[in-house]
Amino acid sequence: KNEVEQSPQNLTAQEGEFITINCSYSVGISALHWLQQHPGGGIVSLFMLSSGKKKHGRLIATINIQEKHSSLHITASHPRDSAVYICAVRYGGGSNYKLTFGKGTLLTVNP
Amino acid sequence: NAGVTQTPKFQVLKTGQSMTLQCAQDMNHEYMSWYRQDPGMGLRLIHYSVGAGITDQGEVPNGYNVSRSTTEDFPLRLLSAAPSQTSVYFCASTLTTPSTDTQYFGPGTRLTVL
Repeated sequence: KNEVEQSPQNLTAQEGEFITINCSYSVGISALHWLQQHPGGGIVSLFMLSSGKKKHGRLIATINIQEKHSSLHITASHPRDSAVYICAVRYGGGSNYKLTFGKGTLLTVNP
Repeated sequence: NAGVTQTPKFQVLKTGQSMTLQCAQDMNHEYMSWYRQDPGMGLRLIHYSVGAGITDQGEVPNGYNVSRSTTEDFPLRLLSAAPSQTSVYFCASTLTTPSTDTQYFGPGTRLTVL
């Protein structure tokens, strides 16, 4: 069974702390996505990775294809970063855009 | 652009009733999908479409039908609602390029089946 595991399930931090959320998967993938789900329920795409590293503002996403592992880092965390962060992987190539999702990591950043 | 829109936002059904969840996007994306989100579980794919007239089943298709008559619209039909279909439903469309793909999600429909 193709599985996507995220850790930790819950994470509480103080404002300004450096945050790391991890995602591991069981078989080879063609792409990995990080998404953010706000407390109100809306889901926003943050990154798509197939190799290496991407950065957007205070968010950094990395992927290690050999180790089947990705991390999402948040630098200088802020209470507005409080959300559920979801990892999803795409196994197929070509026009197959089906995703398999992890259960999410609930991040709470306290002021 | 309105992005991906879903209606209704909330719905309560009785067991056995049928209904259609509406989804529309104005970004001319070919790929669209329906997911359900349940507590303690990741998003799960119900059905997806790679373009007008083409649909296929996802991970949890039983009890649901879809059609795709236009690029813009992708409705999800519950044939005979069951309490197990109580969930939050998300529609998404995907922007695809040769080097990347990006998902755009609707705001969700919270469905309760009594």
